[in-house]
Amino acid sequence: DVKVTQSSRYLVKRTGEKVFLECVQDMDHENMFWYRQDPGLGLRLIYFSYDVKMKEKGDIPEGYSVSREKKERFSLILESASTNQTSMYLCASRGIGTADRPLHFGNGTRLTVT
Amino acid sequence: SQQGEEDPQALSIQEGENATMNCSYKTSINNLQWYRQNSGRGLVHLILIRSNEREKHSGRLRVTLDTSKKSSSLLITASRAADTASYFCATDSLYTGANSKLTFGKGITLSVRP
Repeated sequence: DVKVTQSSRYLVKRTGEKVFLECVQDMDHENMFWYRQDPGLGLRLIYFSYDVKMKEKGDIPEGYSVSREKKERFSLILESASTNQTSMYLCASRGIGTADRPLHFGNGTRLTVT
Repeated sequence: SQQGEEDPQALSIQEGENATMNCSYKTSINNLQWYRQNSGRGLVHLILIRSNEREKHSGRLRVTLDTSKKSSSLLITASRAADTASYFCATDSLYTGANSKLTFGKGITLSVRP
């Protein structure tokens, strides 16, 4: 079974802090994704990565950056946290080269910025 | 931008009844996927249907796809209280090549009363 592990389930940070959300997958997947989930808005894609050191902006990249130095790890960085970044953050991964390619999600990190 | 739009937003049924959830989308797709999310957890992949398929079954799940109407439906038969969750449709766009990204709808909250 694919395992996607997000380092924290709950995180509380102060406005202006630099925040790192870590995600690790154990299936050698090329693609990794960061979504945020808010009530009434569903899942929105922040950034994704096709492979090591590669990244692409999603639909809402403002205020975020990412790092993918190793294939198994994809980090989401909030350079200066703001209260409107309070949300549930979901990491996901999937492989390439197969016809059916579902996403495998972590359990999420609920971030509160005060 | 959100591609899939689920309908209804919330559904409440009695245990044993069938639950039907609908999803509409806007652009051409490679495949459409349905996911389930239990409260406070990550999403879990349920079923995928390719653009050249019209119907697919998996256990108590039945998915249909009508590409001419750009719509899909998910039927859960003989529902159980444990089916209580949020359900999301996600579309895999035809135009983004091998490293595509999924776009999610806002989700449907299903409550199954014991």
